[in-house]
Amino acid sequence: QKEVEQDPGPLSVPEGAIVSLNCTYSNSAFQYFMWYRQYSRKGPELLMYTYSSGNKEDGRFTAQVDKSSKYISLFIRDSQPSDSATYLCAMRDSGGSNYKLTFGKGTLLTVNP
Amino acid sequence: GAGVSQSPSNKVTEKGKDVELRCDPISGHTALYWYRQSLGQGLEFLIYFQGNSAPDKSGLPSDRFSAERTGGSVSTLTIQRTQQEDSAVYLCASSLSGGAATGELFFGEGSRLTVL
Repeated sequence: QKEVEQDPGPLSVPEGAIVSLNCTYSNSAFQYFMWYRQYSRKGPELLMYTYSSGNKEDGRFTAQVDKSSKYISLFIRDSQPSDSATYLCAMRDSGGSNYKLTFGKGTLLTVNP
Repeated sequence: GAGVSQSPSNKVTEKGKDVELRCDPISGHTALYWYRQSLGQGLEFLIYFQGNSAPDKSGLPSDRFSAERTGGSVSTLTIQRTQQEDSAVYLCASSLSGGAATGELFFGEGSRLTVL
C-alpha cells in the first residue's frame, strides 16, 4: 500500500459545479497537509495548507483533514475553467525528516465552460 | 530572478549518455529540493540540501544519480549512463528553510528529460 493514495481521475465537470478531491494516507505521523495545483507543463504551486485536523477555507476553496480516518479533501465551489489543472495532495510529519513531502499521484480536473 | 529557474526545459538524449540539469533557486532560500515526476506518478523525492548541512540523498534511485549545490545556491543534478526509465520531469524547488511549517515549496517549471 502506498503511503498516499489519490484517485488520478480524470475528473470532468461543468462550470459552476462543486468539485471534491480526496486523498487517503497510511502514515499516522503525518501532521501537515497541503494541496498543490499544477497547470500543464508548469511546476506545482501551493494552494492550501492545513495543520492537523480541521477545516480551512480560502475563497472558493475548502480543505478538510480527518486524521481519525486518515482522509483529506479539497472542495472547490463554483468551479471555473481556470481551475482546470492537476491537483496534488501532499503531507509531511513533524519528525526529523519533516522537510520531506510525500505526494499523491494527482487528480486531473477539467472544468468545461 | 523572481522564481526558481531550471534549465534546460527540455532535453532529449540517447540511452547511455550523461545529462546535467540545473536549478537556480529563489535568492535567500536556504533549502533546495529535487523531485522527479514520471508519467502517471506523483512527485518522488530525490535529494534535499539545507545550508551547509550534509544533503539527504536517500531518494536517489541509483548511483547513476548525483547532485551538488555550489555556494549554497545553484544546484546541478547529474544522471550518468541514462536509461529509458529515467525519462521524466525533474522538478527543483526551494524554500526559505527546511521543514518550514507552511510547507511552501516554490517549484520551477521542471526539466523534461526524454531518453531514447
